[in-house]
Amino acid sequence: GDSVTQMEGPVTLSEEACLTINCTYTATGYPSLFWYVQYPGEGLQLLLKATKADDKGSNKGFEATYRKETTSFHLEKGSVQVSDSAVYFCALSGYAGGTSYGKLTFGQGTILTVHP
Amino acid sequence: ETGVTQTPRHLVMGMTNKKSLKCEQHLGHNAMYWYKQSAKKPLELMFVYNFKEQTENNSVPSRFSPECPNSSHLFLHLHTLQPEDSALYLCASSQAGQANYGYTFGSGTRLTVV
Repeated sequence: GDSVTQMEGPVTLSEEACLTINCTYTATGYPSLFWYVQYPGEGLQLLLKATKADDKGSNKGFEATYRKETTSFHLEKGSVQVSDSAVYFCALSGYAGGTSYGKLTFGQGTILTVHP
Repeated sequence: ETGVTQTPRHLVMGMTNKKSLKCEQHLGHNAMYWYKQSAKKPLELMFVYNFKEQTENNSVPSRFSPECPNSSHLFLHLHTLQPEDSALYLCASSQAGQANYGYTFGSGTRLTVV
């Protein structure tokens, strides 16, 4: 079945440091890939997505590239801010045939804390 | 405003109480989901509804009873809960069969069972 593996957290960085959160996946066919962010006390929000190999999703200074050869979708940001402190989830939607995509499979989440 | 509204935001209930969580979406979606998020545990998918029909129940105890009267509303009825059921309950919606567009989540209901 489909699965997503994220790097273990928590991750603690100083403001303006570089961020990478690793995500690898197992899926048949051509899944769509996502990063969601959950700020304290809130639900999950879609941060970015990519739907085919070599696509780069980007939003709010974050980016991730769909790498089919390494089955990876690592999240990166060049300079983090205190306001980026949140839990980050990698997810995939498996291709189910025709025009149908199945439900999302989530990784376990990575807690990011950014200090001033 | 995320398009998916959950009420109440916080709920404290005793183990013998009966309460309901409500989820409402105005996005024109036709698939809805309940998730449980406990501290230090991965997201747990509880129930899936497509076009008002339950299509997935992930071995959830019967003290949790979902209801989907139409594609815009989803309820989770709770009775005789245990302290370990304390968690953040998240509702999400999407177009059925089009999860490649992602889900839209509500802000969740923080449930405490005492």
